[in-house]
Amino acid sequence: NAGVTQTPKFQVLKTGQSMTLQCAQDMNHNSMYWYRQDPGMGLRLIYYSASEGTTDKGEVPNGYNVSRLNKREFSLRLESAAPSQTSVYFCASRRPGESTDTQYFGPGTRLTVL
Amino acid sequence: RKEVEQDPGPFNVPEGATVAFNCTYSNSASQSFFWYRQDCRKEPKLLMSVYSSGNEDGRFTAQLNRASQYISLLIRDSKLSDSATYLCVVDSWGKLQFGAGTQVVVTP
Repeated sequence: NAGVTQTPKFQVLKTGQSMTLQCAQDMNHNSMYWYRQDPGMGLRLIYYSASEGTTDKGEVPNGYNVSRLNKREFSLRLESAAPSQTSVYFCASRRPGESTDTQYFGPGTRLTVL
Repeated sequence: RKEVEQDPGPFNVPEGATVAFNCTYSNSASQSFFWYRQDCRKEPKLLMSVYSSGNEDGRFTAQLNRASQYISLLIRDSKLSDSATYLCVVDSWGKLQFGAGTQVVVTP
């Protein structure tokens, strides 16, 4: 049981390049989330998926797209990277029952955009 | 104004001492509250949920004050391994709001 996995762990992009961050969970969770974490700020929600086939915008969705490929996988795409997207990205999932259940986080992707 | 606010610290604590810190939240309709722990450059992990009547988990005690809209975390008999950033998390209708964290440094 690997929990939540993310790839890659580190990435450096040039402004304007595109890339996809991958996330997978093996806990049979319905809900999955993408956050970014910047120094001095709390985690901010980019997009989430309450269930397979649905996605919704979070607090800071501009410049990102997502795909809920199946129940296990939820990817985040940067179509044209900007220096403002330099951040640590965390994927998370939440177990069925939802209500007050906690979220489980992946190890993060550290992205630098030059 | 941020939805969830925390003193960033750092709180420098001698080993064996007690440290306590608070978190304030702005949404009075918030339903659930949590403390997460985040080690340097790692993912956040749940430390404990915070219940209305207050709760303990070993050396950790969490309190909720709905009237004043804050939660607190107290760590007794601090260990070197308690050094981390503690994130306050507030759940409002399934949406988690994260504080920026309070850094705790336990020194020998």
